[in-house]
Amino acid sequence: AQSVAQPEDQVNVAEGNPLTVKCTYSVSGNPYLFWYVQYPNRGLQFLLKYITGDNLVKGSYGFEAEFNKSQTSFHLKKPSALVSDSALYFCAVRDHGSGNTGKLIFGQGTTLQVKP
Amino acid sequence: DTGVSQDPRHKITKRGQNVTFRCDPISEHNRLYWYRQTLGQGPEFLTYFQNEAQLEKSRLLSDRFSAERPKGSFSTLEIQRTEQGDSAMYLCASSSPRTSGETQYFGPGTRLLVL
Repeated sequence: AQSVAQPEDQVNVAEGNPLTVKCTYSVSGNPYLFWYVQYPNRGLQFLLKYITGDNLVKGSYGFEAEFNKSQTSFHLKKPSALVSDSALYFCAVRDHGSGNTGKLIFGQGTTLQVKP
Repeated sequence: DTGVSQDPRHKITKRGQNVTFRCDPISEHNRLYWYRQTLGQGPEFLTYFQNEAQLEKSRLLSDRFSAERPKGSFSTLEIQRTEQGDSAMYLCASSSPRTSGETQYFGPGTRLLVL
């Protein structure tokens, strides 16, 4: 069964420091991986995705993520955190199961807290 | 605004009442998904439409839940005889096979509170 794990409930960083939010996955076949961000009482905003190609993918708001097939990881990164990056981050994998409907399987989320 | 829209944004109801939510996807997207998100959890898949056809339903979708997409455009999600356990954020997303990886774009959600 496909699954996604985000091992940290919360990540705390100081503004200006680099940040990493971890994600590991388990999927049959080639993974389609996504990161979304959710601000309080809002829907999910798409940040970036890995489908194929370069292992380092760049997305919105200066975020990037590194796909590592051997470690089955897709960690989200940003070189210099902003206070406004504080939010809830979700990693997701596209389900390649029967029917191929494209539904997403989400991790439980990681709260990023950036302190001034 | 050409994003996914949902209505209402908030709904408070009493246990046993019926509620209906609406989702308007991005206009050129033929795929539409409903997810449910409870506090502190990631969204969980409920159901999927391709055009007007409902092609998959999660086991989370009990008999009290029904979803439609009558003309392949907007969709409705109805919950009959609501229970307190139905309290959650209901998210709608849409996608197109023309987009690499068929990225799903989400609406703002409908937050349901069952008293």
